[in-house]
Amino acid sequence: EVQLVESGGGLVQPGGSLRLSCAASGFTFSDHYMDWVRQAPGKGLEWVGRARNRANSYTTEYAASVKGRFSISRDDSKNSLSLLMNSLKTEDTAVYYCARAGGWFDPWGQGTLVTVSS
Amino acid sequence: DIQMTQSPSSLSASVGDRVTITCRASQSISKYLNWYQHKSGKAPKLLIYVVSSLQSGVPPRFSGSGSGTEFTLTISSLQTEDLATYYCQQSDSMPPTFGGGTKVEIK
Repeated sequence: EVQLVESGGGLVQPGGSLRLSCAASGFTFSDHYMDWVRQAPGKGLEWVGRARNRANSYTTEYAASVKGRFSISRDDSKNSLSLLMNSLKTEDTAVYYCARAGGWFDPWGQGTLVTVSS
Repeated sequence: DIQMTQSPSSLSASVGDRVTITCRASQSISKYLNWYQHKSGKAPKLLIYVVSSLQSGVPPRFSGSGSGTEFTLTISSLQTEDLATYYCQQSDSMPPTFGGGTKVEIK
């Protein structure tokens, strides 16, 4: 079964840092782009960033709202994706999903909640 | 960035009704339009990719159509389990962008 499981969410103060993880199973992780997408409370889905595969030099891209603060990395040997979030703002409060990407997002993980508050 | 606009933002319909959701792109996205179903507290689920291809396991009452800048998602006969928010998403160019969502309620 193709599965993605996020972890690492929690409460963090503004200006703080947090690292999210996404464990993948059931497919050849190294072949695929992997993305992070978030949903703030009461809002819609917002793309956060992408980690491309080895064939595309592991390049990354980020949404303008997080560029310079967030960093995505992957460990193909562990089928794992990470999102390092620095300089967190209250507006970063959201459920963060990892998703297998390419032409579309499928599957998605169940999400992990990040709350940025003092 | 390409802006995606969905309408309506919410709707209420009866079981068995035909439901149509519209998604408009701010510029042509050819056929690179996907639809997702998001139930509260669950992972979003891919329903339809590249306009009209039904994802495996998705009931055939869901269908998609359109091209260029205007697209539709149709539920031919609404069921109680279709209670959810539906999102369109373009994959024509980076960054991927989503519509604002359409919340479907059952009367």
